[in-house]
Amino acid sequence: GAVVSQHPSWVICKSGTSVKIECRSLDFQATTMFWYRQFPKQSLMLMATSNEGSKATYEQGVEKDKFLINHASLTLSTLTVTSAHPEDSSFYICSASTRTYEQYFGPGTRLTVT
Amino acid sequence: AQRVTQPEKLLSVFKGAPVELKCNYSYSGSPELFWYVQYSRQRLQLLLRHISRESIKGFTADLNKGETSFHLKKPFAQEEDSAMYYCAHGSSNTGKLIFGQGTTLQVKP
Repeated sequence: GAVVSQHPSWVICKSGTSVKIECRSLDFQATTMFWYRQFPKQSLMLMATSNEGSKATYEQGVEKDKFLINHASLTLSTLTVTSAHPEDSSFYICSASTRTYEQYFGPGTRLTVT
Repeated sequence: AQRVTQPEKLLSVFKGAPVELKCNYSYSGSPELFWYVQYSRQRLQLLLRHISRESIKGFTADLNKGETSFHLKKPFAQEEDSAMYYCAHGSSNTGKLIFGQGTTLQVKP
């Protein structure tokens, strides 16, 4: 149980375009979803916390107009990278939580902006 | 601010040797601490949490409030233990996890 999926697993896009990444909890309802960014051989950096039906809370330094997060249902959250640039290339990971602390992680999405 | 520090980026040991991955935290209240593991090409998964006081895959971690540490230990490393290990601190208010920088454990045959 407690499986989280992400789609797509890998995306390549041109500079200036927008990319949407989906995060789904497959067998449970997630009241909270988290979005992280991970650079090669580095730790996970929390970008934002997303609660179903409300606006996401962004961490300091994360541009909310650049990284749009929508948590429309208890099983789906989306991250849209708007007007992507090469520096946005990274590994984006989501996690889903049913209660405090217990986070289940998705496999990640590798974004490459050319 | 809460902070988790893992001082070693890489820890390389031989199979059968003891392993200790260090983790220190800065938090004034009662901490909620975790160890997560990421095997090659796999997703991050919970290894253990301090409140459960359990041993998973031979790993244990003891919370030492005096030293503000939560080191991960295993008496005899196995090759399949090779992975990236992250220490994390949980926030009771938001459920957020703050991760350390991670330590790559390399177990050589």
